Amino acid sequence: EDKVVQSPLSLVVHEGDTVTLNCSYEVTNFRSLLWYKQEKKAPTFLFMLTSSGIEKKSGRLSSILDKKELFSILNITATQTGDSAIYLCAVDRARALNFGKGTSLLVTP
Amino acid sequence: DSGVTQTPKHLITATGQRVTLRCSPRSGDLSVYWYQQSLDQGLQFLIQYYNGEERAKGNILERFSAQQFPDLHSELNLSSLELGDSALYFCASSGGHWGTNTEAFFGQGTRLTVV
Repeated sequence: EDKVVQSPLSLVVHEGDTVTLNCSYEVTNFRSLLWYKQEKKAPTFLFMLTSSGIEKKSGRLSSILDKKELFSILNITATQTGDSAIYLCAVDRARALNFGKGTSLLVTP
Repeated sequence: DSGVTQTPKHLITATGQRVTLRCSPRSGDLSVYWYQQSLDQGLQFLIQYYNGEERAKGNILERFSAQQFPDLHSELNLSSLELGDSALYFCASSGGHWGTNTEAFFGQGTRLTVV
């Protein structure tokens, strides 16, 4: 059975901290791994990763994929209260996009 | 704004009823996906249409059906509603279909409450 598992489920940090969110997967027909940020409603796209070891970066956010060990991490440095959201990892397995249950991040002032 | 439009934003209806959720994809996108998000289940893939044809099916109940029209908008029909159908229903669109490494853009969702 295909699985996408995110950890931790939830974390609370202070502004300025660095956080690492994890996503491990076991799927057939892997095509790519995607990260989304969900605040109040719609998930918004962050990154798409298709190759191992190549870091994708956008401002304070970065992500990398390890296709051998079947996981990805999302790093957020110098966190701000606006980073508070649910972060979703999804795997494109050529027939559908399988989502993990998400990591809920709360950044406190 | 992702460019994906969903209506209505909120819907409250009684058990046993039927509702229709509507989605207009981003201009030019051929694929439409429907997802159900409940607190305990996370985002569950329901069904995908590509250029008017059903492309992939996920955990969609037989009481649910969907279609994509020639103008590429899509409707998700939910019938014989039960309390457990209460959830946030998302539509997403993309230019290609899964497997072609194209990201999907999500609408704001329709909050369905069954009472």
